[in-house]
Amino acid sequence: TQLLEQSPQFLSIQEGENLTVYCNSSSVFSSLQWYRQEPGEGPVLLVTVVTGGEVKKLKRLTFQFGDARKDSSLHITAAQPGDTGLYLCAGPYTGGFKTIFGAGTRLFVKA
Amino acid sequence: DAGVIQSPRHEVTEMGQEVTLRCKPISGHDYLFWYRQTMMRGLELLIYFNNNVPIDDSGMPEDRFSAKMPNASFSTLKIQPSEPRDSAVYFCASSRTYYEAFFGQGTRLTVV
Repeated sequence: TQLLEQSPQFLSIQEGENLTVYCNSSSVFSSLQWYRQEPGEGPVLLVTVVTGGEVKKLKRLTFQFGDARKDSSLHITAAQPGDTGLYLCAGPYTGGFKTIFGAGTRLFVKA
Repeated sequence: DAGVIQSPRHEVTEMGQEVTLRCKPISGHDYLFWYRQTMMRGLELLIYFNNNVPIDDSGMPEDRFSAKMPNASFSTLKIQPSEPRDSAVYFCASSRTYYEAFFGQGTRLTVV
């Protein structure tokens, strides 16, 4: 069974701090996606990583795909209250043309 | 460009009633997905369509759930009869690929 495990489940930090959240699997993924979901809204696609070792930056967010394409990380520099939300990783299930989601990391950034 | 539009945003219904959720995907997107999100189970794919054809409905919990996509700009998810355990947020999403998704704002369903 392909599973995506995210850690930590919850994270509460002060504004200005740095943080990293993780998405791990025992299976190889052809790509991984990261989404952010704010309360009362649907998830919003942030990035797709495709190549092993790939690093993508989106302002203060840095996404990395593991060399073996089994894991990914999201690093946020100088977190702001606007970064608060549920961060989900997702990837295409190789047994069929569909996507599986991790359970998410719930981030709260205090002002 | 308008995003995925879902209606209603909130639905409260009594157990046993029929519930119909509606979705208008982004124009030009060939894939349409229906997801359900709960605290216990997270985000689960219920069914997805490609070019209006249902491709995988293995996530549909039981026969009480059905989904249709009569044309490229409209889809429905129906629950009949509804049960309290169906209470969740239901999302519709669309995409040009099967592995990325652009989500609507969701319908929060409460069955009492």
